[in-house]
Amino acid sequence: SQKIEQNSEALNIQEGKTATLTCNYTNYSPAYLQWYRQDPGRGPVFLLLIRENEKEKRKERLKVTFDTTLKQSLFHITASQPADSATYLCALDPSYNFNKFYFGSGTKLNVKP
Amino acid sequence: DAEITQSPRHKITETGRQVTLACHQTWNHNNMFWYRQDLGHGLRLIHYSYGVQDTNKGEVSDGYSVSRSNTEDLPLTLESAASSQTSVYFCASSGRSGLDLVYTGELFFGEGSRLTVL
Repeated sequence: SQKIEQNSEALNIQEGKTATLTCNYTNYSPAYLQWYRQDPGRGPVFLLLIRENEKEKRKERLKVTFDTTLKQSLFHITASQPADSATYLCALDPSYNFNKFYFGSGTKLNVKP
Repeated sequence: DAEITQSPRHKITETGRQVTLACHQTWNHNNMFWYRQDLGHGLRLIHYSYGVQDTNKGEVSDGYSVSRSNTEDLPLTLESAASSQTSVYFCASSGRSGLDLVYTGELFFGEGSRLTVL
C-alpha cells in the first residue's frame, strides 16, 4: 500500500541549531513534494515545493532535498528559533498536474531557547 | 485579501444527524479539497473538486458527500453522522496565482472545523 512516513516522535533541538526532518514514502512516484507548517488550532501553511527533477530547494533559512532513489525528502531549518516550533507536514502529488496531494502525519518540532 | 473560510468552527452533534460544513474561498480557485485530520493519521483526503459540477471521491469518502454549484463554495455533508467522524475538518483550495497565473500547486487551507459526534 502507499505510505508517507514522518517521524511521529517530536524533535527537540536547541535554538541556533539546524533541525532536520524526514519524509519517506513507499509505492508512490511523486512528481512534486511539498512541505507545510501547522501551528496548534490552525490550518497548514505552505512553505516549499520541490519537483522530482530538482535535488534541492532553498528559501531563506529553509532547505528541502528530494531523493527519488531513496524515496525520501529532508527538510532543514538552519539557525532555528523558538518561533519555528510547530508541526511540519510533507505532502506529495503523484500526478503532474498539481491536482491532488497526499499528506504525512507530520513531525512536531520544539526549539528550546 | 483573498481568503478561505470555514463554518462552523466548532460543532457538536448527535449520531444519526445530518451535518453540513461550509467552505468558501475568494481566491477564484478551480480546485477545492476536504481533508480530515486525526491524531496519528495526518490529513486524509475526503472529497475534491476541479471545478463547478465536478466532484471526486478521496481516500476516506464513505459517509460524506460534496456538491459544487459555483466556484467559491464546496460544502461537505455528513449524511448520518457517526462517532467515527469526530475529527477536525480542513477545506483547502488551489489554482493559478500571480501576475502570470502560474499553477503552483500550493494549497490554501481554512482554519478548520472541529466536529464532535456524540
